[in-house]
Amino acid sequence: QQQVKQSPQSLIVQKGGISIINCAYENTAFDYFPWYQQFPGKGPALLIAIRPDVSEKKEGRFTISFNKSAKQFSLHIMDSQPGDSATYFCAASIGGQGGKLIFGQGTELSVKP
Amino acid sequence: DGGITQSPKYLFRKEGQNVTLSCEQNLNHDAMYWYRQDPGQGLRLIYYSQIVNDFQKGDIAEGYSVSREKKESFPLTVTSAQKNPTAFYLCASSASSGARYGYTFGSGTRLTVV
Repeated sequence: QQQVKQSPQSLIVQKGGISIINCAYENTAFDYFPWYQQFPGKGPALLIAIRPDVSEKKEGRFTISFNKSAKQFSLHIMDSQPGDSATYFCAASIGGQGGKLIFGQGTELSVKP
Repeated sequence: DGGITQSPKYLFRKEGQNVTLSCEQNLNHDAMYWYRQDPGQGLRLIYYSQIVNDFQKGDIAEGYSVSREKKESFPLTVTSAQKNPTAFYLCASSASSGARYGYTFGSGTRLTVV
């Protein structure tokens, strides 16, 4: 119940296309859903986050869509660029449980020029 | 600049040895975390600490130990009891104990058993 399942494991998109990464969870107590971006040899960095009372959040080319009833959320990268090539992790946490994040398995995105 | 420093960047361990990974932060964050990253498995929580002199086990604590004697420091020891220690280790911190404050990660230590 503490798992967050992420798909696909890898994704190849042409420059200018839309990248879509999906995550699903079981524990309805999760109340915070961030996405992290990681470049090779570096630690992940917070990209965008959403709370379950919001169905969509957009920051520049990055959008989180949240479906509370389906217990799913997704990251959309519009107009994907080669510089977006990285590994993306979705995550979830429960307020009060030490702030600890449960991460998905990660998606390795490659944007081809 | 504020941030998290992990050292060393690369570490090689012989079978049966204990090794200690360093994690130092100057962000004045209360909470610190250790994650292990393996290909296709995401980041798995080893230990976390919300306050000095206190820490809790994460999902995969067996074979690892930590200490939190100072707010700035949260070293991780990989003991000989950890049977498969080869991995990328990430340290993170957050203000208070809230994930919604955002985690700041270090650049990681890659540990290899030789």
